[in-house]
Order: sequence, then structure tokens, then C-alpha cells
Amino acid sequence: GAGVSQSPSNKVTEKGKDVELRCDPISGHTALYWYRQSLGQGLEFLIYFQGNSAPDKSGLPSDRFSAERTGGSVSTLTIQRTQQEDSAVYLCASSLGESGNTIYFGEGSWLTVV
Amino acid sequence: KQEVTQIPAALSVPEGENLVLNCSFTDSAIYNLQWFRQDPGKGLTSLLLIQSSQREQTSGRLNASLDKSSGRSTLYIAASQPGDSATYLCAVKIQGAQKLVFGQGTRLTINP
Repeated sequence: GAGVSQSPSNKVTEKGKDVELRCDPISGHTALYWYRQSLGQGLEFLIYFQGNSAPDKSGLPSDRFSAERTGGSVSTLTIQRTQQEDSAVYLCASSLGESGNTIYFGEGSWLTVV
Repeated sequence: KQEVTQIPAALSVPEGENLVLNCSFTDSAIYNLQWFRQDPGKGLTSLLLIQSSQREQTSGRLNASLDKSSGRSTLYIAASQPGDSATYLCAVKIQGAQKLVFGQGTRLTINP
């Protein structure tokens, strides 16, 4: 596709339910990032994938959060047993390889836990 | 730990003015610095990327500078327009890591 695609764009879920957020990066981009942006807060790094290397999971806030990237392309961020504090915009980004390349963001998935 | 600060948090100026947004970072061991724009309810749009070996980058009415030794970057917007109203974020990619560290952003309003 022309840009980073995320789905769903909006999700309202009940506390305790699991949610899956999907990211389809720009074709050919080997690096993929997940960030979280809470209301009035800055962007918080969650996880980074690069090719077939082991992901950098250092930003995941708890073991309720996990992410995978299948076939080096599409990624899914899963939040188990959602809590109200998980309400945020989850932004996915991709770039061409590592290091010095421009990073392109998707429109985000707006998650509301009620 | 790398920290990125953007001042001011909000800025309102009349249309047509030239303006400067500031970004500072605490650790000069960066790989690059990127400026983004975020419109309400939208994702981030990349504006300019400056590698650590570069001093500035220009795109249209935008010019970004980088002084790595002093830990500062500025985004200069010439002849501002109402369509420039948005939140502007700077982010640094630190050496030895792949994640970007973001500032809190400057919310810019250009008044017609």
C-alpha cells in the first residue's frame, strides 16, 4: 500500500476483554515499530521489529501486552485482559531498514476501554 | 537516559509570521533527529530528517537545524499559514538503539 495501514481505526472494548490491533507496513519496509500515545501524553515506545531479528520488547508495559510480526510484514499487537489505563492511541510505524531512514507512521488505532 | 524537551508547549501567532520551534535533548550520542507534524485525531507525518553528521535540512518553507554538541534542534517555519496549525514533535534516534525518543510537542496555532 501507499502508507502504513492500521486497523481497526477505533475500538471500544469492555474491561477485561482481549483486543488485537493490526498494522500493515509500507511494502518493502523491514523495520516496524509500535508506539502508544495516551491523552495529553507523549509517545511511548512499545516494541520494535527488524527483519528476522529478535524484537526489542523493552517498551512493553506489562505481560498483558504482546506483539508478533508474521512473514516479516503484517504485525499484530495484542492486549489481554484490558484495563482502563490501556485507553490510548496505538501507532504503528515502519521504515526501510535500520538506522538512518525516515520513519513513517500510520493513522493509529484509537482504543477505549470502558 | 535520553530526554527530549520542546519549548514552548503551545504557540499562537498571526498568519504570515516566521517562527521557530525548539527541541533540546540531553544525550548528544544520537543517530538522527526527525521532526513530525500531528493533526488532531491523526497519525504523525514526517517533515524532516537530519542525520547526526548534518547541520540542517530544508523542505519548502521548513528548515530544521541540528547542533548535536549543544543538544539542540530548531524548526523554522517561514511565512506561516493557517494550514500549518498542528502539533509539532521532534524525536531523536539514539545510538545503539532503534527506538525514537519523542518530545512532548509544541501545539502551534496560526491565526488568519
